[in-house]
Amino acid sequence: QQQVKQSPQSLIVQKGGISIINCAYENTAFDYFPWYQQFPGKGPALLIAIRPDVSEKKEGRFTISFNKSAKQFSLHIMDSQPGDSATYFCAAKEGFGGSRLTFGEGTQLTVNP
Amino acid sequence: DGGITQSPKYLFRKEGQNVTLSCEQNLNHDAMYWYRQDPGQGLRLIYYSQIVNDFQKGDIAEGYSVSREKKESFPLTVTSAQKNPTAFYLCASSTPGAVQETQYFGPGTRLLVL
Repeated sequence: QQQVKQSPQSLIVQKGGISIINCAYENTAFDYFPWYQQFPGKGPALLIAIRPDVSEKKEGRFTISFNKSAKQFSLHIMDSQPGDSATYFCAAKEGFGGSRLTFGEGTQLTVNP
Repeated sequence: DGGITQSPKYLFRKEGQNVTLSCEQNLNHDAMYWYRQDPGQGLRLIYYSQIVNDFQKGDIAEGYSVSREKKESFPLTVTSAQKNPTAFYLCASSTPGAVQETQYFGPGTRLLVL
C-alpha cells in the first residue's frame, strides 16, 4: 500500500499563531494533493487542494506549500482561530484516471483562545 | 439540496449479526467509496465503485460486502465475519477525472457492538 505520512499527530497553537502540518509521500504517480478538515462526529470536508505543477496555493488563511523534489507538502494556517480546532487530513491521488485517495493519519489541531 | 446522506447515524450490532449501512447521493457522481475511521487514525478504504454494477476491494475489505445496483446508492454490509466492527463509517462520492476531483463525504454512521 502506498502511504502518505503525516505529522505531527497533534498540535496545540495559540490564537493568532501559525499552524503547520506536514505530509510526505513516496509514490511519484500521485498528482493531486487535497487537505480535508473534520470536526468531531462529522464527515471530512475539502479544505484546499494542489497539483504538483505549482509550489504554493493560497485560499484565505490556508496555504499549501508543495516540494516536488522532496515529495513533501504542508498546510499552513495563518492567524489560527479557535474555530479552526479540528482534525486535518492530507491525502494523495494517483493520476491516469485513478480515483481512490490515500489519506495521512490525521493531525488533531487545538487552537487555544 | 444536493449531498450525501448516510443512515442510520448510530447502529448497534449483536454478535453474529449482519448489519447494512445506507449511503445515498444526489450529486450525480459516478464513483462512491466506503471508509472506516478508528479513533485517532486516518481513513481506511473498504470498498469503492467507479460505475454501477462494478466495485473493487479497498485496503480492508475482509468482513464487508457492498452492492452498486443504482448510481445513487452504495450500501455497505458489515458481516459477522468482521470481528472488530466498532468504528465510524464514512461514505463518499466523486466524479472521476474531474478537474477538482473532490471526494464529498457524508455525515457518517457510528457502529457499536452490543
